[in-house]
Amino acid sequence: DTEVTQTPKHLVMGMTNKKSLKCEQHMGHRAMYWYKQKAKKPPELMFVYSYEKLSINESVPSRFSPECPNSSLLNLHLHALQPEDSALYLCASSQELRTAYEQYFGPGTRLTVT
Amino acid sequence: RKEVEQDPGPFNVPEGATVAFNCTYSNSASQSFFWYRQDCRKEPKLLMSVYSSGNEDGRFTAQLNRASQYISLLIRDSKLSDSATYLCVVNSPRSGYSTLTFGKGTMLLVSP
Repeated sequence: DTEVTQTPKHLVMGMTNKKSLKCEQHMGHRAMYWYKQKAKKPPELMFVYSYEKLSINESVPSRFSPECPNSSLLNLHLHALQPEDSALYLCASSQELRTAYEQYFGPGTRLTVT
Repeated sequence: RKEVEQDPGPFNVPEGATVAFNCTYSNSASQSFFWYRQDCRKEPKLLMSVYSSGNEDGRFTAQLNRASQYISLLIRDSKLSDSATYLCVVNSPRSGYSTLTFGKGTMLLVSP
């Protein structure tokens, strides 16, 4: 089973709201990723967790705050977002970070910031 | 030179046609190569990994030329359901870890 689940599917939030995106995988993968994807663009890497530790932060603004509560779960906490942050947020996982194994993506959360 | 470059498309082909996508990458240290397929407003899905010897999965054939840093995907007997954006993906080795770099994707439209 190569399933990664994400909730919610859609989210509309105001610029003063605080919300969280959730991601879960049960494949025993030790690397988990957050990507942001705008229309007609490829996914852009935001954060990577390896063995529940933050390994990569691609200079993402602090209004995005990732969290990895355990090896199966990944959260992305959102606060004081801007309209330009509206995008599809994708979670992915892979076996490990050290070697470039294939990544499996969740269905994404479509975020609209008003 | 961009890290991963693809034909932007779109490629418009009739059902049953054969279509080929090309991709070049700039990092000679890259070791892993993939094709992903992404439907409109959906997540990317792994189509196939690309191996040095080339590999085939049904109607899909992937080739890798390390010397030219070139990857290709051939789709034979196109189906309407093949309409999607095809992303060429290459690993980017860094110190102690490796991430994936995505091409911008090539859109395929298969018509009846």
